[in-house]
Parts: sequence; C-alpha cells; structure tokens
Amino acid sequence: GENVEQHPSTLSVQEGDSAVIKCTYSDSASNYFPWYKQELGKRPQLIIDIRSNVGEKKDQRIAVTLNKTAKHFSLHITETQPEDSAVYFCAASINTGRRALTFGSGTRLQVQP
Amino acid sequence: AAGVIQSPRHLIKEKRETATLKCYPIPRHDTVYWYQQGPGQDPQFLISFYEKMQSDKGSIPDRFSAQQFSDYHSELNMSSLELGDSALYFCASSGYRGRSYNEQFFGPGTRLTVL
Repeated sequence: GENVEQHPSTLSVQEGDSAVIKCTYSDSASNYFPWYKQELGKRPQLIIDIRSNVGEKKDQRIAVTLNKTAKHFSLHITETQPEDSAVYFCAASINTGRRALTFGSGTRLQVQP
Repeated sequence: AAGVIQSPRHLIKEKRETATLKCYPIPRHDTVYWYQQGPGQDPQFLISFYEKMQSDKGSIPDRFSAQQFSDYHSELNMSSLELGDSALYFCASSGYRGRSYNEQFFGPGTRLTVL
C-alpha cells in the first residue's frame, strides 16, 4: 500500500517568514495530493490540493509543488502569520474515485509573533 | 454551506462496552469515509462506503463494523472496547460536484474515551 513520509515533524518560524513542508510517497499510482490543516482537537481542513497533471498550484500565500518523477510534493506558506500555527498533514490518494487518503505523520508549525 | 455532521461529539465508555458513532454526510455526497486519529497521530483510514456498499477497507479491527443507510448516513459500531480505542473518530464525505471524488470534507469528529 501507499506510504507517505513527511518532514519536518516540527517547524518554528518568525512571523513574516516562509515555511516549507515536504512529503514523499511510495505508490507511483497515486495522483491526488491534498494538504490539511488541523488545529488542536478540531477537524482536518483542506487548504490546497494538487493533481498529478500539474506541477504547481498557488492560492494566495499557499503554494504546493509536485515532482512526480521523484515522488515528492511540498507545501509552501509565505508571509506566515500566528494564525497559521497548527499541524499540517500531507496525504496521497489514487484518483480512481472514492479512494481513501493515506496521511503523512504531520508537521507542527509554530509561527512566533 | 452544510457540512458533515457527527454525533455524539463526546463519548465515554467502559472497557468491553459497545459504542455507536453516527455520520451524516454533506447533502448529495454519496461516499463516506471513517478515520481514527490517536493522540499526536495522523488520521488512519478505517473503512469507506459508496452507495451503501463497502468501497474500501483499511485498518478496521474485527470488533468494529460499519454500514451506510439509504439516506447516506453511516454508523460505526464498536464492540468489546479497549483502552487503545480511545481516539478521535472522523467521518469524511465526498461526492461529484463538478470535480472529482477525491476532495474529502471532514466532520467535527467524535472523541471516544474508554476507561
């Protein structure tokens, strides 16, 4: 089955700096890669996703890049704000419809004011 | 916009008791997924249903069972509860709304504590 590895496990940045979180996946059939933000005790919330037919996607301060050859994808957050502090999970799935997500182990991002 | 609804939000049970968790997907979503998230862990996929049929199966213990009903809501039944079953249980749903099925929206979760 799919295995997703995520690094780093914790990340502390100063407000206004950029943050980068990296994930690798093992199953070459995976072609859907969402990122979720989870605050303590709350539900995971989808913040951005990318499919394998594109290499990069951007939404305001958030961007995701995908290197399908190397089987890795990254989340980039620019101009970080204290409210960005949360745990971020990457995930992978096969885009054949109605398939479960395999999550990475999560990155705890702390943005220092 | 309507979101995924889960009930109850909190549940406390004793070892060896049973529990039933309910999930109401977003209207017109036809697929429901169950995930278990232990403290400090990532969500682990348990089971999913599409059009009332089991679609995919993950690391669901034999003590657990689930089903999806005609109104698309789903129930996760957990028997012979163990201390290790204490976790957040999330339900997610997906459906076709001009996009693919992959976009999953999570409910608020049920926090199960087994004493």
